[in-house]
Amino acid sequence: EPEVTQTPSHQVTQMGQEVILRCVPISNHLYFYWYRQILGQKVEFLVSFYNNEISEKSEIFDDQFSVERPDGSNFTLKIRSTKLEDSAMYFCASRTASQSSYEQYFGPGTRLTVT
Amino acid sequence: AQSVTQLGSHVSVSEGALVLLRCNYSSSVPPYLFWYVQYPNQGLQLLLKYTSAATLVKGINGFEAEFKKSETSFHLTKPSAHMSDAAEYFCALGTGGFKTIFGAGTRLFVKA
Repeated sequence: EPEVTQTPSHQVTQMGQEVILRCVPISNHLYFYWYRQILGQKVEFLVSFYNNEISEKSEIFDDQFSVERPDGSNFTLKIRSTKLEDSAMYFCASRTASQSSYEQYFGPGTRLTVT
Repeated sequence: AQSVTQLGSHVSVSEGALVLLRCNYSSSVPPYLFWYVQYPNQGLQLLLKYTSAATLVKGINGFEAEFKKSETSFHLTKPSAHMSDAAEYFCALGTGGFKTIFGAGTRLFVKA
């Protein structure tokens, strides 16, 4: 069964450094998302991406964040200058263009630790 | 505004007992609802989904949920808890826009 993959599984970085989290969505999916989950808290929406542009973003997704689909398969989340509070699990998700279901398929997550 | 509320951040049951995890939603349009399970240090696994077909939805691992429009609820149940059910459970609402809105989660403890 096709699945969303994410790399790396765990990333440790120093405050102020740039990080790029990578995702490979399911191949025929057209909507892409990033969510984050701070330890012990709920999953929060960050951004959605469709047709090579951001469809919606939350207030968390400030100028320090950016997303890109650099080729036909990867979907990346960049944090320009990491802060301690960016430490979280980041989930990528994707879904089809079908309007019959809003089900999103989630990747296994990347745990980001900012020191 | 669309939202999801999970009643009870922690639920503890004995092995073999009924599991009931509560979820209420608010949506101005017909909702799509999901339950996800998350085991420690792992990702989100879809348990079941409601997409306006049958109101009683069966999922994996013996879980089921009933959509009740009049109560705006989508509670998750399992007749008999197993130790392996211990995990965090998230109720989620698929919006007419692009994002999924998650509840705060309920941690299920199963006592031997």
